[in-house]
Amino acid sequence: DVKVTQSSRYLVKRTGEKVFLECVQDMDHENMFWYRQDPGLGLRLIYFSYDVKMKEKGDIPEGYSVSREKKERFSLILESASTNQTSMYLCASSPPTGTLYGYTFGSGTRLTVV
Amino acid sequence: AQSVAQPEDQVNVAEGNPLTVKCTYSVSGNPYLFWYVQYPNRGLQFLLKYITGDNLVKGSYGFEAEFNKSQTSFHLKKPSALVSDSALYFCAVRDPLSGNTPLVFGKGTRLSVIA
Repeated sequence: DVKVTQSSRYLVKRTGEKVFLECVQDMDHENMFWYRQDPGLGLRLIYFSYDVKMKEKGDIPEGYSVSREKKERFSLILESASTNQTSMYLCASSPPTGTLYGYTFGSGTRLTVV
Repeated sequence: AQSVAQPEDQVNVAEGNPLTVKCTYSVSGNPYLFWYVQYPNRGLQFLLKYITGDNLVKGSYGFEAEFNKSQTSFHLKKPSALVSDSALYFCAVRDPLSGNTPLVFGKGTRLSVIA
């Protein structure tokens, strides 16, 4: 069964901390995505990547960065966590023509910044 | 630019009744359309998609959706709702003419099926 695995289900961090959210997929997918999900706002795209060492800004990249050193792993980094980054973070992956097949999502990381 | 709208934040339906979750879209070409479901504290799961062909698309768990080009809609339907269908539903769209751009998701509709 194909999988996208997010390393933590729940995470509590302090304001100002540097936070790493990890995502690993075992499907050899080229495309990977990070979304945040907030009530009433739906899914908003933070960053995405179509290949190793490539990254593209999504709709709300401010305060975030990403790293993709290996094909299977896409990390989201909160450089200095703030309370307004408290949210559910979802990672997804797809093959290069992935939008014919849709995305496979991880289970999400619920991050609380205190 | 591509966009998708889910006009209802919440849909309530009695168990056994038919359900409809609405979705409208805006793209410049012929759309690729998707429905996903999210159960509490989980990621999104793929339900069904429309790429081309028959306007009525059948998917997982007895769900179906009808593509209507003239109304730019892709409503999700099920003939008989179950309590276990209670979840958050997302519609997503992509314009294949826009290159390899990510899917655009709606804001979601919470479906509540009452026993």
